[in-house]
Amino acid sequence: RKEVEQDPGPFNVPEGATVAFNCTYSNSASQSFFWYRQDCRKEPKLLMSVYSSGNEDGRFTAQLNRASQYISLLIRDSKLSDSATYLCVVKLTGGGNKLTFGTGTQLKVEL
Amino acid sequence: SQTIHQWPATLVQPVGSPLSLECTVEGTSNPNLYWYRQAAGRGLQLLFYSVGIGQISSEVPQNLSASRPQDRQFILSSKKLLLSDSGFYLCAWSELQLANTGELFFGEGSRLTVL
Repeated sequence: RKEVEQDPGPFNVPEGATVAFNCTYSNSASQSFFWYRQDCRKEPKLLMSVYSSGNEDGRFTAQLNRASQYISLLIRDSKLSDSATYLCVVKLTGGGNKLTFGTGTQLKVEL
Repeated sequence: SQTIHQWPATLVQPVGSPLSLECTVEGTSNPNLYWYRQAAGRGLQLLFYSVGIGQISSEVPQNLSASRPQDRQFILSSKKLLLSDSGFYLCAWSELQLANTGELFFGEGSRLTVL
């Protein structure tokens, strides 16, 4: 079983739609959680951290469910510029300075 | 401000040839340095990370090696490339306390095709 699993997509949504991605992780010792964004053929960049109580950054909302070991990312009012691959990232407790990346979920926002 | 550069951006190499990818970081001291590989349709796989000069941790057995000859320089090498070494190689750096921010700063990547 992969340490971090995501639906690869693609998710094709119209502009203005709300879309949600889920991610599951296998190691209950996971400590910290993040969402990264990767544009086509580019390097990944941190989108937002995921806090236990859930957190919001503009149109983006991240949530964590430790009991079920999943993380979600909700994007409201999708823009064409949101088209990218969204990577779920986990850091293990005592895992040193290492992050484990999911394979990513591809989002395509269309007119 | 901090910057990270890696090169070359693209390369096509024959099987059995050597490889050297270089990465340098500017504007910070004693960063953690990483090499990741992203194969087609697969996630980012951590290959090596380093917490200081000459300190290299290898995450997976493979045909590659890494070196950190200077504080802000990280090199990925191979003596003989395999077809399976093809992929998108990303160098990254982070502050020492990665857990606090979870932020890795990636270079623009090196796309390697082994023929």
